[in-house]
Amino acid sequence: KAGVTQTPRYLIKTRGQQVTLSCSPISGHRSVSWYQQTPGQGLQFLFEYFSETQRNKGNFPGRFSGRQFSNSRSEMNVSTLELGDSALYLCASTTGAGANSPLHFGNGTRLTVT
Amino acid sequence: AQSVTQPDIHITVSEGASLELRCNYSYGATPYLFWYVQSPGQGLQLLLKYFSGDTLVQGIKGFEAEFKRSQSSFNLRKPSVHWSDAAEYFCAVGASVTGGGNKLTFGTGTQLKVEL
Repeated sequence: KAGVTQTPRYLIKTRGQQVTLSCSPISGHRSVSWYQQTPGQGLQFLFEYFSETQRNKGNFPGRFSGRQFSNSRSEMNVSTLELGDSALYLCASTTGAGANSPLHFGNGTRLTVT
Repeated sequence: AQSVTQPDIHITVSEGASLELRCNYSYGATPYLFWYVQSPGQGLQLLLKYFSGDTLVQGIKGFEAEFKRSQSSFNLRKPSVHWSDAAEYFCAVGASVTGGGNKLTFGTGTQLKVEL
């Protein structure tokens, strides 16, 4: 079974631009979560989608948004990029049955904002 | 609110030596606990998980962890470390209450270096 696929692997953007990251979950997984990983803040939860609905949201500004499609694929968007948005963005999928369903992570998208 | 503390930022061990990585959590009910490992440039791989039952859980790659409710701890252990175990290790807690979704709170990680 294919793992979680994130595209692109690397992105370089300029301050003020917007960016869209994509995540394809493991087949059959209905929950997709997004995390931001930085050296200073570590791994921080952005949001979780389940059956196209946002189920949980972390403490990030409204510039960070996401959505999930009917095939469970998910995208996250960051508008008006800031230097501090430079990070590794990780997507994770799970069956969605609850927190006792382990997350399976992709290899991430490395975003650099200049 | 749930939280996780990993007191050791860096740990260095010799190959073949035993390993223990510390993790303390804060959560109002019985938590769901996880250990993940991350190699450079990669995502996180699940090593093991605890939901309920036996407090000593076995994982992949020869790792085990013990849940101690009285100490709010979930330490990761391995009896004999291999050079390939060098990586960053993250402890995480998930909400066990209904409706908590799949949000995990991660510790800050422990970077493991293995000396040959």
